[in-house]
Amino acid sequence: SQQGEEDPQALSIQEGENATMNCSYKTSINNLQWYRQNSGRGLVHLILIRSNEREKHSGRLRVTLDTSKKSSSLLITASRAADTASYFCAADGLTFGKGTHLIIQP
Amino acid sequence: DAGVTQSPTHLIKTRGQQVTLRCSPISGHKSVSWYQQVLGQGPQFIFQYYEKEERGRGNFPDRFSARQFPNYSSELNVNALLLGDSALYLCASSLVGRDYEQYFGPGTRLTVT
Repeated sequence: SQQGEEDPQALSIQEGENATMNCSYKTSINNLQWYRQNSGRGLVHLILIRSNEREKHSGRLRVTLDTSKKSSSLLITASRAADTASYFCAADGLTFGKGTHLIIQP
Repeated sequence: DAGVTQSPTHLIKTRGQQVTLRCSPISGHKSVSWYQQVLGQGPQFIFQYYEKEERGRGNFPDRFSARQFPNYSSELNVNALLLGDSALYLCASSLVGRDYEQYFGPGTRLTVT
């Protein structure tokens, strides 16, 4: 079974808007990682947040982690067409969810 | 520095055959993990190797095996191929293991007919 589950499954927004996607997981973790995948090719690591951290920023990305709710969120601000991709969360970098497919419309 | 490389890029095999996929990690990375990604799904963890030893195994049958060589490159072998083994096989390397970010290769697209 998959540890991480992303929500929503698909998201379509206008360029310049913010995109938020959520991830839930089932068991205790050491870290939660977010990845991006374009066109079914290799994944690109975006950000890693450890279990003792609550929030982390990287450029236009903001990730939060709530270990009590076993959930995380990824916020992409000021979206661009190039952000169109599938986004996955991975518990301890090993167990991935099914992903959120993000479409940025120009 | 070169990223993670995988070979071959694409592969077509017949049911019952055996296949070997190869992965070269980023220089200095000692951990390699393998994933299977079926279309429309997230990657499923198959194996993790660190310092040439198996450190983790996902829920895959014994038809799947792997090894890591002294230069930290790795091979994934799948025996007695089934149609359901058709997928993108991804290799990822990291400095130490699961507590660090992973760098993925472009994958090998395996089609079983």
